[in-house]
Amino acid sequence: GAVVSQHPSRVICKSGTSVKIECRSLDFQATTMFWYRQFPKQSLMLMATSNEGSKATYEQGVEKDKFLINHASLTLSTLTVTSAHPEDSSFYICSARDGQQAFFGQGTRLTVV
Amino acid sequence: GENVEQHPSTLSVQEGDSAVIKCTYSDSASNYFPWYKQELGKRPQLIIDIRSNVGEKKDQRIAVTLNKTAKHFSLHITETQPEDSAVYFCAANNQAGTALIFGKGTTLSVSS
Repeated sequence: GAVVSQHPSRVICKSGTSVKIECRSLDFQATTMFWYRQFPKQSLMLMATSNEGSKATYEQGVEKDKFLINHASLTLSTLTVTSAHPEDSSFYICSARDGQQAFFGQGTRLTVV
Repeated sequence: GENVEQHPSTLSVQEGDSAVIKCTYSDSASNYFPWYKQELGKRPQLIIDIRSNVGEKKDQRIAVTLNKTAKHFSLHITETQPEDSAVYFCAANNQAGTALIFGKGTTLSVSS
């Protein structure tokens, strides 16, 4: 199947700093990518849909100025968590579809201290 | 928007027994229903999916059934093994037809 690569897999940052997470589709082009957040023992919650060459679409309750998404090429989407706070600590996972099937990145464990 | 409900939240079975997980969805326009298995700290792995033009699909010990009229679909695992222990998520595509909306997950424990 298709491969989606996410980097970094783990990051620890200080409160108030920003963290960038990259999501790449390695063997297919993705005009659309998706960002999810998963808290411990909970489900994957859709945060936003990343659209190549245009603005991302955010789900209700997700602050677009806090979670900046850039999708500058057909194989790369980035999520930047700005001014991170401890409550932003979570597992962030990206996804891209090749046809109808969705493929997921490895996930990024973000810890804000 | 699309809402996916999943039951049960936890399921414990003996090795060799069958396990059934059920999901309902709200948007009648949804047409793609995958099931994922997720181990702790790892990405979800697709185990089986079904499209709305099919009522049932089987892959070895795993099967999925879909009732479009009732808007529910189910995962069936037969002859369970300890390595089947994980969290299972159902999903359905959203109104735009692109993103997947997930159920809350079922923690399956298979004891030997």
